[in-house]
Amino acid sequence: KAGVTQTPRYLIKTRGQQVTLSCSPISGHRSVSWYQQTPGQGLQFLFEYFSETQRNKGNFPGRFSGRQFSNSRSEMNVSTLELGDSALYLCASSVTSGSGNEQFFGPGTRLTVL
Amino acid sequence: SQKIEQNSEALNIQEGKTATLTCNYTNYSPAYLQWYRQDPGRGPVFLLLIRENEKEKRKERLKVTFDTTLKQSLFHITASQPADSATYLCALDGAGGSYIPTFGRGTSLIVHP
Repeated sequence: KAGVTQTPRYLIKTRGQQVTLSCSPISGHRSVSWYQQTPGQGLQFLFEYFSETQRNKGNFPGRFSGRQFSNSRSEMNVSTLELGDSALYLCASSVTSGSGNEQFFGPGTRLTVL
Repeated sequence: SQKIEQNSEALNIQEGKTATLTCNYTNYSPAYLQWYRQDPGRGPVFLLLIRENEKEKRKERLKVTFDTTLKQSLFHITASQPADSATYLCALDGAGGSYIPTFGRGTSLIVHP
């Protein structure tokens, strides 16, 4: 079974631009969560989508948004990029939503904002 | 506010010894605690999950304990190998029935041959 895939793997943008990251979950997984990982803050939860609906949301500004399609693939968008948005963005899929689910992480997208 | 603490200093041990990593938390009552392994440049990989009503769980050379009174989890790797060298993250979720997983910053384990 193929793992979680994320595209692109690396991205360089400038301040003020916007970016869209893509995540394809493991086949049969309906929940997709997004995380931001930085050396200073560690791994922080952005949001979770299940059956095309946002189920949970972390403490990030509205510039961070996402969506999920009917095939469970998910996209994350960051508008008006700031230098502090430079990070590794990880998505994780699980069979279902809710606590206590094993999450399968993708390799991440390394975003650099100049 | 909720806080998860993992030792920020790297743990250096000799091959064959048991590595013990600690995860402490405050202002939190998680229903679940998970441990993940992360290698440089890669996403975390799930290792073990333990529920609040479980004291201990084992999987091959791995053992996790969960003490909700001490608000602490210990993660043990027995007969450690250089291939076990990685960063290990603990994650909590399920507090109050909500699903907002919170991760610690991880502890780097280095196993010397």
